[in-house]
Amino acid sequence: EPEVTQTPSHQVTQMGQEVILRCVPISNHLYFYWYRQILGQKVEFLVSFYNNEISEKSEIFDDQFSVERPDGSNFTLKIRSTKLEDSAMYFCASSERGYEQYFGPGTRLTVT
Amino acid sequence: GIQVEQSPPDLILQEGANSTLRCNFSDSVNNLQWFHQNPWGQLINLFYIPSGTKQNGRLSATTVATERYSLLYISSSQTTDSGVYFCAVERRNFGNEKLTFGTGTRLTIIP
Repeated sequence: EPEVTQTPSHQVTQMGQEVILRCVPISNHLYFYWYRQILGQKVEFLVSFYNNEISEKSEIFDDQFSVERPDGSNFTLKIRSTKLEDSAMYFCASSERGYEQYFGPGTRLTVT
Repeated sequence: GIQVEQSPPDLILQEGANSTLRCNFSDSVNNLQWFHQNPWGQLINLFYIPSGTKQNGRLSATTVATERYSLLYISSSQTTDSGVYFCAVERRNFGNEKLTFGTGTRLTIIP
């Protein structure tokens, strides 16, 4: 069964460093998403992406965040200058329009 | 935005017991999904159920869209059912699609 994959599974970085989280969505899906979950809290929407542009972004998704689909398979989330409060689990998801969203296993980001 | 409330927040049961988890939402939705977050933090898709009833083994779910709630039933609980169960809804607005998650129900199954 097709699945969403994410790398790395765990990333440790120092405050102020740039990180890139990578995702490979399901191949025939056209809609891509990033969500995050701070430890012990609920999952929050960050951004949706369709047709090579951002469809919607939350207030969390400020100028330090960016997303890109650099080729036909990868979807990336970049955090330019990480802060302690960026420590969280980041989930990538993909879907066909109007249907179920499938989530990857997540990348646990720890900012020290 | 749309509000999603889940109850109960915590549930502790003996192995073999049955349970019902509830999800209430504040507006009409186009999509509703149930997830199980396992101890490793992974979100496992359980059901895509914007309306009606579905069953998958010991799990079943019912969404009554007109009354804005969904129920997840777990029968004959096993210790592997432990974890946090999330309900998430989508209200499609001008083509934008995002899931809004509830705060979850933490289920603990005791052997």
